[in-house]
Amino acid sequence: KNEVEQSPQNLTAQEGEFITINCSYSVGISALHWLQQHPGGGIVSLFMLSSGKKKHGRLIATINIQEKHSSLHITASHPRDSAVYICAVLSNFGNEKLTFGTGTRLTIIP
Amino acid sequence: NAGVTQTPKFQVLKTGQSMTLQCAQDMNHNSMYWYRQDPGMGLRLIYYSASEGTTDKGEVPNGYNVSRLNKREFSLRLESAAPSQTSVYFCASSVYLQGAYEQYFGPGTRLTVT
Repeated sequence: KNEVEQSPQNLTAQEGEFITINCSYSVGISALHWLQQHPGGGIVSLFMLSSGKKKHGRLIATINIQEKHSSLHITASHPRDSAVYICAVLSNFGNEKLTFGTGTRLTIIP
Repeated sequence: NAGVTQTPKFQVLKTGQSMTLQCAQDMNHNSMYWYRQDPGMGLRLIYYSASEGTTDKGEVPNGYNVSRLNKREFSLRLESAAPSQTSVYFCASSVYLQGAYEQYFGPGTRLTVT
Protein backbone atom coordinates (compact mmCIF):
# COMPACT_ATOMS: atom_id res chain seq x y z
CA LYS A 1 0.00 0.00 0.00
CA ASN A 2 1.36 3.42 -0.94
CA GLU A 3 1.98 5.87 1.88
CA VAL A 4 0.02 8.54 -0.02
CA GLU A 5 -3.21 7.66 -1.82
CA GLN A 6 -5.19 10.04 -3.98
CA SER A 7 -8.71 9.76 -5.32
CA PRO A 8 -10.04 9.87 -7.87
CA GLN A 9 -7.24 9.06 -10.33
CA ASN A 10 -9.12 10.80 -13.13
CA LEU A 11 -11.90 13.36 -12.95
CA THR A 12 -13.83 15.01 -15.77
CA ALA A 13 -16.31 17.79 -15.00
CA GLN A 14 -18.22 20.57 -16.67
CA GLU A 15 -17.07 24.15 -16.40
CA GLY A 16 -18.47 25.76 -13.27
CA GLU A 17 -18.70 22.58 -11.20
CA PHE A 18 -17.32 22.30 -7.68
CA ILE A 19 -14.35 19.93 -7.65
CA THR A 20 -12.99 17.85 -4.77
CA ILE A 21 -9.78 15.82 -4.86
CA ASN A 22 -8.88 13.67 -1.87
CA CYS A 23 -5.58 12.60 -0.34
CA SER A 24 -5.06 10.04 2.43
CA TYR A 25 -1.73 9.20 4.01
CA SER A 26 -0.55 6.57 6.44
CA VAL A 27 2.45 8.21 8.15
CA GLY A 28 2.79 10.98 10.68
CA ILE A 29 3.51 14.20 8.86
CA SER A 30 4.85 17.68 9.51
CA ALA A 31 3.22 19.16 6.41
CA LEU A 32 1.26 18.29 3.30
CA HIS A 33 1.69 19.87 -0.12
CA TRP A 34 -0.72 20.23 -3.00
CA LEU A 35 1.04 20.62 -6.34
CA GLN A 36 -0.24 21.38 -9.83
CA GLN A 37 1.25 20.06 -13.07
CA HIS A 38 -0.04 21.25 -16.44
CA PRO A 39 0.37 18.97 -19.49
CA GLY A 40 3.99 19.05 -20.61
CA GLY A 41 4.69 21.58 -17.92
CA GLY A 42 6.54 21.97 -14.71
CA ILE A 43 5.28 21.51 -11.19
CA VAL A 44 3.96 24.40 -9.14
CA SER A 45 3.27 24.38 -5.41
CA LEU A 46 -0.30 25.44 -4.63
CA PHE A 47 -0.43 24.96 -0.87
CA MET A 48 1.65 23.76 2.03
CA LEU A 49 -0.39 23.11 5.16
CA SER A 50 -0.03 21.37 8.48
CA SER A 51 -3.43 22.11 9.99
CA GLY A 52 -6.82 23.62 9.22
CA LYS A 53 -7.57 25.25 5.93
CA LYS A 54 -5.98 27.55 3.36
CA LYS A 55 -7.61 29.47 0.53
CA HIS A 56 -6.12 31.06 -2.57
CA GLY A 57 -8.56 32.45 -5.09
CA ARG A 58 -10.88 29.62 -6.15
CA LEU A 59 -8.71 26.96 -4.53
CA ILE A 60 -9.24 25.70 -0.99
CA ALA A 61 -7.16 23.07 0.81
CA THR A 62 -8.12 21.42 4.06
CA ILE A 63 -6.38 18.91 6.27
CA ASN A 64 -7.52 16.69 9.15
CA ILE A 65 -4.43 15.49 10.97
CA GLN A 66 -6.31 13.02 13.19
CA GLU A 67 -7.93 11.33 10.19
CA LYS A 68 -4.76 11.62 8.04
CA HIS A 69 -6.75 13.15 5.22
CA SER A 70 -6.64 16.25 3.06
CA SER A 71 -8.89 17.64 0.35
CA LEU A 72 -8.33 20.12 -2.44
CA HIS A 73 -11.42 21.96 -3.63
CA ILE A 74 -11.86 24.10 -6.72
CA THR A 75 -14.89 26.37 -6.88
CA ALA A 76 -16.38 27.56 -10.19
CA SER A 77 -14.03 25.32 -12.16
CA HIS A 78 -12.63 26.55 -15.47
CA PRO A 79 -10.94 24.76 -18.39
CA ARG A 80 -7.64 26.35 -17.38
CA ASP A 81 -7.84 24.33 -14.14
CA SER A 82 -7.29 21.19 -16.24
CA ALA A 83 -4.06 19.69 -14.90
CA VAL A 84 -2.68 16.91 -12.73
CA TYR A 85 -2.97 17.65 -9.01
CA ILE A 86 -0.44 15.95 -6.78
CA CYS A 87 -0.53 15.46 -3.03
CA ALA A 88 2.81 15.08 -1.23
CA VAL A 89 3.68 14.72 2.45
CA LEU A 90 6.68 15.53 4.60
CA SER A 91 7.10 12.96 7.36
CA ASN A 92 7.40 14.23 10.92
CA PHE A 93 10.85 12.77 11.47
CA GLY A 94 12.48 16.09 10.73
CA ASN A 95 13.68 15.27 7.24
CA GLU A 96 13.03 17.25 4.10
CA LYS A 97 12.01 14.45 1.76
CA LEU A 98 8.57 14.43 0.20
CA THR A 99 6.53 11.31 -0.49
CA PHE A 100 4.22 11.80 -3.46
CA GLY A 101 0.83 10.49 -4.47
CA THR A 102 0.34 9.39 -8.07
CA GLY A 103 -1.77 12.42 -8.93
CA THR A 104 -5.33 13.17 -10.02
CA ARG A 105 -5.84 14.12 -13.66
CA LEU A 106 -8.55 16.80 -13.83
CA THR A 107 -10.23 17.75 -17.10
CA ILE A 108 -12.74 20.60 -17.18
CA ILE A 109 -14.97 20.66 -20.26
CA PRO A 110 -16.22 24.05 -21.48
CA ASN B 1 14.96 35.70 -10.20
CA ALA B 2 14.86 32.58 -12.40
CA GLY B 3 14.03 30.11 -9.60
CA VAL B 4 15.10 26.57 -10.51
CA THR B 5 16.45 26.04 -14.02
CA GLN B 6 17.27 22.77 -15.76
CA THR B 7 19.11 21.91 -18.95
CA PRO B 8 18.48 20.34 -21.36
CA LYS B 9 14.69 20.30 -21.76
CA PHE B 10 14.74 17.23 -24.02
CA GLN B 11 17.35 14.58 -24.71
CA VAL B 12 17.50 11.34 -26.64
CA LEU B 13 20.30 8.90 -25.82
CA LYS B 14 21.31 5.52 -27.12
CA THR B 15 21.76 2.70 -24.61
CA GLY B 16 25.20 2.92 -23.04
CA GLN B 17 25.72 6.64 -23.68
CA SER B 18 26.39 9.00 -20.81
CA MET B 19 25.10 12.45 -20.05
CA THR B 20 24.76 15.01 -17.28
CA LEU B 21 21.56 16.85 -16.43
CA GLN B 22 22.24 20.31 -15.04
CA CYS B 23 20.23 22.12 -12.38
CA ALA B 24 20.74 25.53 -10.81
CA GLN B 25 18.79 27.65 -8.34
CA ASP B 26 19.23 31.32 -7.50
CA MET B 27 17.16 31.38 -4.29
CA ASN B 28 20.05 30.61 -1.93
CA HIS B 29 18.39 27.36 -0.82
CA ASN B 30 20.48 24.80 1.03
CA SER B 31 18.60 21.68 -0.04
CA MET B 32 18.31 20.34 -3.56
CA TYR B 33 16.73 17.21 -5.03
CA TRP B 34 16.55 15.09 -8.17
CA TYR B 35 13.31 13.22 -8.93
CA ARG B 36 12.07 11.07 -11.76
CA GLN B 37 8.45 10.89 -12.86
CA ASP B 38 7.08 7.84 -14.64
CA PRO B 39 3.53 7.19 -15.89
CA GLY B 40 1.25 5.81 -13.19
CA MET B 41 3.78 6.44 -10.44
CA GLY B 42 4.37 9.34 -8.13
CA LEU B 43 7.56 11.34 -8.28
CA ARG B 44 10.40 9.32 -6.84
CA LEU B 45 13.50 10.72 -5.20
CA ILE B 46 16.78 9.78 -6.87
CA TYR B 47 19.26 11.80 -4.81
CA TYR B 48 19.14 14.58 -2.29
CA SER B 49 21.63 17.19 -1.12
CA ALA B 50 21.12 18.96 2.21
CA SER B 51 23.99 21.37 1.64
CA GLU B 52 27.00 22.07 -0.54
CA GLY B 53 29.30 19.07 -0.62
CA THR B 54 26.81 16.55 0.81
CA THR B 55 24.59 14.08 -1.01
CA ASP B 56 22.32 11.21 0.04
CA LYS B 57 20.66 8.43 -1.88
CA GLY B 58 16.92 8.53 -2.32
CA GLU B 59 14.47 5.82 -3.26
CA VAL B 60 15.86 4.98 -6.75
CA PRO B 61 19.59 5.90 -6.93
CA ASN B 62 20.89 2.95 -8.98
CA GLY B 63 22.41 3.99 -12.30
CA TYR B 64 22.84 7.63 -11.28
CA ASN B 65 25.49 9.81 -9.71
CA VAL B 66 25.19 13.38 -8.48
CA SER B 67 27.46 16.28 -7.76
CA ARG B 68 26.82 19.33 -5.57
CA LEU B 69 29.86 21.47 -6.26
CA ASN B 70 28.41 24.69 -4.88
CA LYS B 71 25.23 25.99 -3.29
CA ARG B 72 23.60 26.87 -6.62
CA GLU B 73 24.20 23.79 -8.74
CA PHE B 74 23.25 20.13 -8.42
CA SER B 75 23.93 17.87 -11.41
CA LEU B 76 22.70 14.36 -12.17
CA ARG B 77 24.85 12.01 -14.25
CA LEU B 78 23.88 8.88 -16.11
CA GLU B 79 27.11 6.97 -16.76
CA SER B 80 25.63 4.28 -19.01
CA ALA B 81 22.06 5.03 -19.97
CA ALA B 82 19.48 2.23 -20.07
CA PRO B 83 15.95 2.20 -21.53
CA SER B 84 14.60 1.90 -17.96
CA GLN B 85 15.92 5.41 -17.37
CA THR B 86 13.51 6.88 -19.91
CA SER B 87 11.59 9.33 -17.77
CA VAL B 88 10.95 12.96 -16.96
CA TYR B 89 13.50 14.30 -14.50
CA PHE B 90 12.76 17.16 -12.13
CA CYS B 91 15.19 19.11 -10.02
CA ALA B 92 13.92 20.95 -6.95
CA SER B 93 15.20 23.07 -4.11
CA SER B 94 13.64 23.76 -0.73
CA VAL B 95 13.51 26.35 2.01
CA TYR B 96 12.24 26.12 5.59
CA LEU B 97 9.05 28.18 5.88
CA GLN B 98 6.31 28.26 8.51
CA GLY B 99 7.52 25.11 10.23
CA ALA B 100 8.09 22.93 7.16
CA TYR B 101 10.12 22.69 3.97
CA GLU B 102 8.55 24.23 0.84
CA GLN B 103 9.87 22.87 -2.45
CA TYR B 104 10.34 24.68 -5.74
CA PHE B 105 10.56 22.65 -8.92
CA GLY B 106 12.40 23.13 -12.18
CA PRO B 107 10.66 22.75 -15.57
CA GLY B 108 11.81 19.17 -16.09
CA THR B 109 13.99 17.26 -18.58
CA ARG B 110 12.33 14.68 -20.79
CA LEU B 111 14.85 11.90 -21.43
CA THR B 112 14.38 9.04 -23.87
CA VAL B 113 16.86 6.16 -24.00
CA THR B 114 16.61 3.94 -27.08
